[in-house]
Amino acid sequence: NAGVTQTPKFQVLKTGQSMTLQCAQDMNHEYMSWYRQDPGMGLRLIHYSVGAGITDQGEVPNGYNVSRSTTEDFPLRLLSAAPSQTSVYFCASSYRGLDYGYTFGSGTRLTVV
Amino acid sequence: SQQGEEDPQALSIQEGENATMNCSYKTSINNLQWYRQNSGRGLVHLILIRSNEREKHSGRLRVTLDTSKKSSSLLITASRAADTASYFCATHGGNFGNEKLTFGTGTRLTIIP
Repeated sequence: NAGVTQTPKFQVLKTGQSMTLQCAQDMNHEYMSWYRQDPGMGLRLIHYSVGAGITDQGEVPNGYNVSRSTTEDFPLRLLSAAPSQTSVYFCASSYRGLDYGYTFGSGTRLTVV
Repeated sequence: SQQGEEDPQALSIQEGENATMNCSYKTSINNLQWYRQNSGRGLVHLILIRSNEREKHSGRLRVTLDTSKKSSSLLITASRAADTASYFCATHGGNFGNEKLTFGTGTRLTIIP
């Protein structure tokens, strides 16, 4: 049972480039989300999805797009990378409902130069 | 904006001692969760306490919740070197169908052998 798999683990981008961070889970979780973690800021929610075909914005959505075509996958797209997007990105999933914790991936460390 | 604020920001104790971390939040919640993050890794779910519960135990972990004061505490008893990590509280404030978690900024715990 792999849990939540994120790829790549590390990435360096030039300003203006685009890329997709991949996230896949094999637990049949309906809920998936993307967070970014910056020093002293904790985790901030970027986008989330409560099921295939349904996505919504979180706290810091600007500069990012998501889609959810399957239950398993929830990719995060950076449209035109900026240095302010240098961060560690985490994907998390859970069952829907009030009594479930999240399962996190191991993260993608992104540097934009 | 962050819902939860952990206190202290950093804590160093001797191995074998107990560690207590506190979390305060701002709005009403359905549940509060605690997570551990080892350096360079993803977050791991530790324990969930519902808004109608006051105390919960899991192994060496004890969590309390005071909804009147909008605060929670995490106690780790008989600490071990392996407990060295950052600890985050997260609040679930929505209803079923809104599984968003809002994370605090974390407490960095160091266990001195």
